[in-house]
Amino acid sequence: KAGVTQTPRYLIKTRGQQVTLSCSPISGHRSVSWYQQTPGQGLQFLFEYFSETQRNKGNFPGRFSGRQFSNSRSEMNVSTLELGDSALYLCASSLVSQSGGYTFGSGTRLTVV
Amino acid sequence: AQSVTQPDIHITVSEGASLELRCNYSYGATPYLFWYVQSPGQGLQLLLKYFSGDTLVQGIKGFEAEFKRSQSSFNLRKPSVHWSDAAEYFCAVGHILTGGGNKLTFGTGTQLKVEL
Repeated sequence: KAGVTQTPRYLIKTRGQQVTLSCSPISGHRSVSWYQQTPGQGLQFLFEYFSETQRNKGNFPGRFSGRQFSNSRSEMNVSTLELGDSALYLCASSLVSQSGGYTFGSGTRLTVV
Repeated sequence: AQSVTQPDIHITVSEGASLELRCNYSYGATPYLFWYVQSPGQGLQLLLKYFSGDTLVQGIKGFEAEFKRSQSSFNLRKPSVHWSDAAEYFCAVGHILTGGGNKLTFGTGTQLKVEL
């Protein structure tokens, strides 16, 4: 079966712009989580969506937002980009509970210049 | 607060040698534990997971891990390393949040280099 698909794979944006990243989970997976990976901070939890509702959010400013659609696809948005937002953004999908583990996509590499 | 410690930032082993990557966690309840591997420029691939039951868990690619509650550890092992195992390895603890959701807390990773 198809894995988690993230688009685009690479993105270059200018400071102050905004960006939208997309994630299509594995068919049947209803939970989608987002993580930011940077060399300095490592892997950090951004937020989790389930049935179109944000269940939890990590310690990130309000410039980071997301949503989930009825087909479980998810998008995350970052407004007013800063240089420090440059990172690999990873999406993970899972069944209702985490006992099945999380499947990660290949990520979107965002570079802010 | 939940935390995961991977004390070894870099490890170098010879091909064919055995491998053990260390992971210690801090979590109040019975943890969900995971090991992931990441190749350069790629996402995370699940190697194995532990939820309950047998404390020795078998995973993909010949990896195994042992959960030791008394030591709060979940070390990853492989009896014979292959050059293709060179990658970064992340240990993670999964926990249920107050909103009913879940999240993973990751360690800082261990970069594995394999010498031929």
